[in-house]
Amino acid sequence: SQELEQSPQSLIVQEGKNLTINCTSSKTLYGLYWYKQKYGEGLIFLMMLQKGGEEKSHEKITAKLDEKKQQSSLHITASQPSHAGIYLCGAGHQAGTALIFGKGTTLSVSS
Amino acid sequence: NAGVTQTPKFQVLKTGQSMTLQCAQDMNHEYMSWYRQDPGMGLRLIHYSVGAGITDQGEVPNGYNVSRSTTEDFPLRLLSAAPSQTSVYFCASKLLGQGTEAFFGQGTRLTVV
Repeated sequence: SQELEQSPQSLIVQEGKNLTINCTSSKTLYGLYWYKQKYGEGLIFLMMLQKGGEEKSHEKITAKLDEKKQQSSLHITASQPSHAGIYLCGAGHQAGTALIFGKGTTLSVSS
Repeated sequence: NAGVTQTPKFQVLKTGQSMTLQCAQDMNHEYMSWYRQDPGMGLRLIHYSVGAGITDQGEVPNGYNVSRSTTEDFPLRLLSAAPSQTSVYFCASKLLGQGTEAFFGQGTRLTVV
């Protein structure tokens, strides 16, 4: 069973629109990571959340962690073509255990 | 500070051949792991290690071996390559503990023909 579920799987938005990507864990979270990947390239670290209620921002991207729901959301404001790519959430579920990832959300931004 | 270095960047193998993908980090990270990335599948964990001499299986370990003789290196061995192992492979490292960033290598694109 998939321990980290991302939704939606893919998303097409018009430039300038806002969007949200969700990541839900079936187990207690021990750190939640967001990465971005351009097709065929490596992973770019966006941000990491640890505590319930924590919210972090990087340029026009904001991520929040709801520890009770074991869920994180990534929100992009006023999307641009440069935001296009694959967004991956990753999490640890216990100290000293592996970092696992969801299946990713592919974002396309049309101009 | 080189971070996480993966070699080679590209590799073509024939079915049945063996090879080793190299991963090295210079940040003294205890945790290292290998993932494969296939379209629509995200990053799937192959093997991971929480320190020298300690390794464990991930979600898709079959056909792969690992060892961790030093903190710095975590090679991934393909024993007898199969077309199903055609993928992009990523190595990652981080300090153990909550709240530490995971660093990734640039990936190895492997094709098995």
